[in-house]
Amino acid sequence: EVQLVESGGGLVQPGGSLRLSCAASGFTFRNYAMSWVRQAPGKGLEWVSAITGSGSSTYYADSVKGRFTISRDNSKNTLYLQVSSLRAEDTAKYYCAKLVYFEWVDPSNWFDPWGQGTLVTVSS
Amino acid sequence: SYVLTQPPSVSVSPGQTASITCSGDKLGDKYTYWYQQKAGQSPVLVIFQESRRPSGIPERFSGSNSGNTATLTISGTQAMDEADYYCQAWDSRTVVFGGGTKLTVL
Repeated sequence: EVQLVESGGGLVQPGGSLRLSCAASGFTFRNYAMSWVRQAPGKGLEWVSAITGSGSSTYYADSVKGRFTISRDNSKNTLYLQVSSLRAEDTAKYYCAKLVYFEWVDPSNWFDPWGQGTLVTVSS
Repeated sequence: SYVLTQPPSVSVSPGQTASITCSGDKLGDKYTYWYQQKAGQSPVLVIFQESRRPSGIPERFSGSNSGNTATLTISGTQAMDEADYYCQAWDSRTVVFGGGTKLTVL
């Protein structure tokens, strides 16, 4: 069974940083692109970032470009998201999700499954 | 940037058919995906590549896409189908989500 377990969220002051982790199991991690999607309280889904199976290519939403860094350790089956220069509007539950292909950019790619999410709250 | 528009809410009686729309420019030329998110839970894929159902998703869920509108149809809606539903598509090498539709089963 494919499992994705996020961790690392918490309360952080504006301008602060956190590193989110997503531990994957039940599939050959290095063969699939992975992504982070967030959901602000009471709001909809927003794609944040993605990385190819090898980790050689990364992608970001304009809203987080230059502040967030996605990475992966295929030897540890773990996906990361370093979130920095945090703002109040970054407050959200952050989900990691597995894609169905190695590459990210593919119109026939989709998110399945999703983890349970980790909550990041940015407040002073 | 590309925008997908969904109605904020749809209501349906148990056993009836619910239709949730997702509109975008020339959306019919793109693959669409639908996710179900029940209260307090993570999203779950219910339709991929416009009309295909993942294993474990009931047959009452179906999808279509033509022109500028994709539609998620739930036939014989059950109380357990009450949830938020999000459409998703690709545009310009990035993913776009619709704003979500809250399905209420009255």
